[in-house]
Amino acid sequence: DGGITQSPKYLFRKEGQNVTLSCEQNLNHDAMYWYRQDPGQGLRLIYYSQIVNDFQKGDIAEGYSVSREKKESFPLTVTSAQKNPTAFYLCASSPSVDTQYFGPGTRLTVL
Amino acid sequence: KQEVTQIPAALSVPEGENLVLNCSFTDSAIYNLQWFRQDPGKGLTSLLLIQSSQREQTSGRLNASLDKSSGRSTLYIAASQPGDSATYLCALRRMDSSYKLIFGSGTRLLVRP
Repeated sequence: DGGITQSPKYLFRKEGQNVTLSCEQNLNHDAMYWYRQDPGQGLRLIYYSQIVNDFQKGDIAEGYSVSREKKESFPLTVTSAQKNPTAFYLCASSPSVDTQYFGPGTRLTVL
Repeated sequence: KQEVTQIPAALSVPEGENLVLNCSFTDSAIYNLQWFRQDPGKGLTSLLLIQSSQREQTSGRLNASLDKSSGRSTLYIAASQPGDSATYLCALRRMDSSYKLIFGSGTRLLVRP
């Protein structure tokens, strides 16, 4: 099956803890993205990567970090510096600028 | 700064009704505009993509239009069904930053049986 997978589906974090969200794609897409969605709002871009070993900050990168060591993988770390991390996180990939394909999402809750 | 607005935030209609969802944007220098569907707690599914040079796109019961001069796009759903209940989001790419999508906050649609 081709597609984008995100894990885990639900994640709970204690205050002061770093957590890493996984995103894997087998679509052979060059570009990958991380978005954050808060209730009743649209998606906001956290980081994106157009090619392996390169990534750029989006609109709300503070308190997050990423890596892109492999074409298939784009993990997102939510650090303790992110003061309000409770949200729904969506990963996407795209072969071009024409469309993006989204994963099922990870819901992160701070305890 | 490009802003994307979707009004209303929520809409409830009886089954069988034709309906229009609205998306407005402040800067007409767009690369393309896309409509997505999101079911509760799920990812996004692309419905229609309109290039900057196009006026509309159709897929089944869905029709999306684009009017750059007025900064508006509409998604028309014909003969609505309960299965159409979801949140509909529009997103656009700017000409100067075509890899990035700028999203509206969505319209939550409920089609009542």
